[in-house]
Amino acid sequence: EAQVTQNPRYLITVTGKKLTVTCSQNMNHEYMSWYRQDPGLGLRQIYYSMNVEVTDKGDVPEGYKVSRKEKRNFPLILESPSPNQTSLYFCASTSAGSDEQYFGPGTRLTVT
Amino acid sequence: GENVEQHPSTLSVQEGDSAVIKCTYSDSASNYFPWYKQELGKRPQLIIDIRSNVGEKKDQRIAVTLNKTAKHFSLHITETQPEDSAVYFCAASWNTGFQKLVFGTGTRLLVSP
Repeated sequence: EAQVTQNPRYLITVTGKKLTVTCSQNMNHEYMSWYRQDPGLGLRQIYYSMNVEVTDKGDVPEGYKVSRKEKRNFPLILESPSPNQTSLYFCASTSAGSDEQYFGPGTRLTVT
Repeated sequence: GENVEQHPSTLSVQEGDSAVIKCTYSDSASNYFPWYKQELGKRPQLIIDIRSNVGEKKDQRIAVTLNKTAKHFSLHITETQPEDSAVYFCAASWNTGFQKLVFGTGTRLLVSP
C-alpha cells in the first residue's frame, strides 16, 4: 500500500530534550516536506527536500533540523524543544512532475 | 512571500444547501491552487485543484473557480451532506521546480442533517 508513515504518532516531552520524528514514504517520491498545524494558523511549512541531500527552509524553520540521506526518509529533528513547538506535525511527499502532496498521519507533540 | 487569506473560518449549513469558501492570494506569480479536506483526527487530502490557465474546474458536487485579476479563488460545494463536514484548506503555490505550498488558515464546515 502506497503510504507516508510517521513515528511516533504522539509524544510528550520536556523542554530541552532532543527528539526526532521519523517520516518514511514508499512511493519513490522525490519531494518531501514537513508542516506544523496550529489552530487558526493552518499548515505552515517547516522544511522541504527536493531530493537526497537537498533540503531548504520553509516558512517556519527556526528550532528545527532535517536530513535527507535516503530518498524514502525525511526525519525532523528538534535539538532543544521548547513549549512553543507544541503542535501537530505532518510529513508529506510528492512525486516530481505531480502536484499532489500525500500527507502522513500526523504526530502530535507536546513540550512541557 | 506569498500570503493566503481564507474566509470564513467557520461555516454552518443545512444538508442540501450549498457552501462557498473563499481565498485570496498576494503573489501574482502563483499558478497552482489546490484545496485539501481534513476530517477530524485525519490527515489533509487533496480534493480538487486548479491551475492559473483555467477559470473553473468541477468534480461532481465540488467546483473551484479562479479570478486571476482579483487574485482570489473559491471552493463551491453543492448539495452538501453530513460527510462533507471537515476543515477545508486552500493553498497557493508557484512552480520553482517544486510546488511550495502556502496554506490558508482553514474553514471548518459543519453540515447539519
